[in-house]
Order: sequence, then C-alpha cells, then structure tokens
Amino acid sequence: AQSVTQPDIHITVSEGASLELRCNYSYGATPYLFWYVQSPGQGLQLLLKYFSGDTLVQGIKGFEAEFKRSQSSFNLRKPSVHWSDAAEYFCAVGPTDSWGKFQFGAGTQVVVTP
Amino acid sequence: NAGVTQTPKFQVLKTGQSMTLQCAQDMNHEYMSWYRQDPGMGLRLIHYSVGAGITDQGEVPNGYNVSRSTTEDFPLRLLSAAPSQTSVYFCASSYDRWSPQHFGDGTRLSIL
Repeated sequence: AQSVTQPDIHITVSEGASLELRCNYSYGATPYLFWYVQSPGQGLQLLLKYFSGDTLVQGIKGFEAEFKRSQSSFNLRKPSVHWSDAAEYFCAVGPTDSWGKFQFGAGTQVVVTP
Repeated sequence: NAGVTQTPKFQVLKTGQSMTLQCAQDMNHEYMSWYRQDPGMGLRLIHYSVGAGITDQGEVPNGYNVSRSTTEDFPLRLLSAAPSQTSVYFCASSYDRWSPQHFGDGTRLSIL
C-alpha cells in the first residue's frame, strides 16, 4: 500500500538558519510528489511538485526539494528561514490509484524563533 | 479568481443534527475531494469525485454522504453528527488525476 511518512512532527529553527523537512514514501511506481504549506487558519498552498526529470525542483517562497529514488525520499529545504515560514508543511504523493487519490503525510509543524 | 470556495467557515452542531458543507470551484476541474484534518493525523480522504455523477469513498467515509450533480459543486453531508466528527474539513479540486490539488480555506466544525 502507498504511504507517506514525515518523521518530524515538530521542528524549531532560528530565523536565518537553514531548514530541511523530511519526507519518505512507499510507492510501487515513480510517484508524483508534492509539498504543501498551511498557514494558521488557511487551506493548503502548493509549494512545489515533482513529476519527472531534474531531481532538484524549485518552488515558491525560496523552497526547493530533492527527489532521491534510492532513498524513497523527497526532502524539502530552504537555505535561510524567515519568520513568515512558520507553518505546517505536508508532503503528498499521488495519484495512488487509477481514480486519482492522493496520500498526505501527517505534517511537520515549523516554529521560527528570533 | 475565486478558486475553491467553502461555506460555512465555522459551524457548531449538536449531536444528531444533520448539515451540509458546501464546496464550489470555478476552475472547471473534474476532480474534487473532501478531507478532514485532525491533529497529528494529516489529511484523511473522506470522499472524492472524478466528474459529475461519479463519486467514490476514501479512507474515512462513514457518517458522510456526497453527490456531484454539476462540475462546480461537491457538497458533503453529515447525516447524524457525532462528536468524533469534530474536525476541520477541506475541499480540494484538480484539473486531472496528475495535477496538484487546489484547496479551499476549510470549514471548522464542532459537534457538541
């Protein structure tokens, strides 16, 4: 069965420091992978997506993610975090069946300290 | 560009009451989904639709009903509300099965 694991429930990072959020997936074929961000009281916003090709993908807000097939990972990174990056981040894989269902990870809460 | 619109934004119900959460999208997307979000559990799929007249169950469909009579609208019905259905509900749509999903701002539902 397909699954998405985000090992870190909560991460605290200082403003200006680098950030890396982990995502591991279990999927039989080459997956379509996504990272979403959710600010408090808001819906999910797409940060970036990987379908094929270059394994390093650039997204909005200065984020990037690297697909590593050998490690079944799709980690999200940002070189220098801003206070506005405090939010919850979700990794997703899809479609996981012929109907187009998506599977989301449990999320990682990012807290940014001054 | 409205995107995905959910109403209401907040709702409090008593156990046993029924209600409908509304979802509308103006992007002519075929795929629409309903998720519930609970702390530490991420988003869990309730029901989804691949086009008007076609719906199917997700991971947690019990206690919920859906229909899709038009491309634009995908309402979620709670038949007899239970405290376990207290959650934040998100509606999402996408152009096709490979495309990223667009999310509404959510409905925060409390069942007393």
